[in-house]
Amino acid sequence: DTEVTQTPKHLVMGMTNKKSLKCEQHMGHRAMYWYKQKAKKPPELMFVYSYEKLSINESVPSRFSPECPNSSLLNLHLHALQPEDSALYLCASSQGGQAYYEQYFGPGTRLTVT
Amino acid sequence: KNEVEQSPQNLTAQEGEFITINCSYSVGISALHWLQQHPGGGIVSLFMLSSGKKKHGRLIATINIQEKHSSLHITASHPRDSAVYICAAHMDTDKLIFGTGTRLQVFP
Repeated sequence: DTEVTQTPKHLVMGMTNKKSLKCEQHMGHRAMYWYKQKAKKPPELMFVYSYEKLSINESVPSRFSPECPNSSLLNLHLHALQPEDSALYLCASSQGGQAYYEQYFGPGTRLTVT
Repeated sequence: KNEVEQSPQNLTAQEGEFITINCSYSVGISALHWLQQHPGGGIVSLFMLSSGKKKHGRLIATINIQEKHSSLHITASHPRDSAVYICAAHMDTDKLIFGTGTRLQVFP
């Protein structure tokens, strides 16, 4: 199984809502990533979890809160978002550790903040 | 200036043409990825390479570490190859630096 799944596929939320994005992989990967992608731009790294610990936070606003409950799951909790946060949110995973491995990407969640 | 630059930004081709997309980077890297993104979002990893050349079907990727340059070639292009192609460099273990992408359209 070389699949990274993400739910939901689409999400529309108001600025006062709280919602969560979910990402799952069963490849035994130990590094998981959240990226944000605006239209016609490359992905921007938000967070990296390595061995279930947050290893990189790219100065992301606190209205985005990542969580890694176990090695297969990665969540992104959203609260009090702004319309400019509307984007495609991509999750990825890789073997992790002190080497360079391919990243496997999920299909993304398209988020619209109204 | 972006650390990873791609050219061209947009590319159109007729079916069957040979296509080359270029990627250059300004800092030392340990590995370079070529990624494909179709409309709708999903990203697929095509290659990861740190030296030489790799081939998969009609796709060939090369890298020259000394010249800090990589190319992605598509032979016998097909309309289903239409996508955005992104190169991304490993600067350290967990972080990728992405190029700006090349939007390819192949017409029948």
